[in-house]
Amino acid sequence: EDKVVQSPLSLVVHEGDTVTLNCSYEVTNFRSLLWYKQEKKAPTFLFMLTSSGIEKKSGRLSSILDKKELFSILNITATQTGDSAIYLCAVGGGNAGNMLTFGGGTRLMVKP
Amino acid sequence: GAVVSQHPSWVICKSGTSVKIECRSLDFQATTMFWYRQFPKQSLMLMATSNEGSKATYEQGVEKDKFLINHASLTLSTLTVTSAHPEDSSFYICSAKDPGQALEEQYFGPGTRLTVT
Repeated sequence: EDKVVQSPLSLVVHEGDTVTLNCSYEVTNFRSLLWYKQEKKAPTFLFMLTSSGIEKKSGRLSSILDKKELFSILNITATQTGDSAIYLCAVGGGNAGNMLTFGGGTRLMVKP
Repeated sequence: GAVVSQHPSWVICKSGTSVKIECRSLDFQATTMFWYRQFPKQSLMLMATSNEGSKATYEQGVEKDKFLINHASLTLSTLTVTSAHPEDSSFYICSAKDPGQALEEQYFGPGTRLTVT
């Protein structure tokens, strides 16, 4: 059975801190790993990773994938209160082809 | 980026009634759409994959007679919750794949919060 596990479940930090969110997976026919940010409504897309060792960066957020160890991390530097959200990791592949398997999410709260 | 809309954004209905939720891709044609549900403080759970012009594929444990999915056109999929019960209260989110984009990239609608009283 395909599985995506995120850690920690929740995290409370202060503005300016750096956080690292983890996502490990066991998925047959892996094709890609995606990170989403979810605030009050639907998830918004952050990154899609397909190759090991290549960092993707967008502003204060960056992510990298390790296909050998089957995990990815999402880093957020100099956190701001607006970064407070649930961060979801999803993996594409599996037997059904098109579907994404989501992890349970990491709830991040950034205090002023 | 691509835009997906959902309607309504929230709905309250009485037990035993049916509710229809629409998911539209606004600026691209989506041959495949997905329906998820999300309970409070939990992650998204895929309910079904909706393919234009064919029957939806339901995930294990999802009753296809209760959650009717119709993907009648390349820009519209509907989810009808039939004979709704309070335990069906949840946040329902659809997503759509743009055939012109990367294989797994999905664009999410804003979600519909359903409350069954």
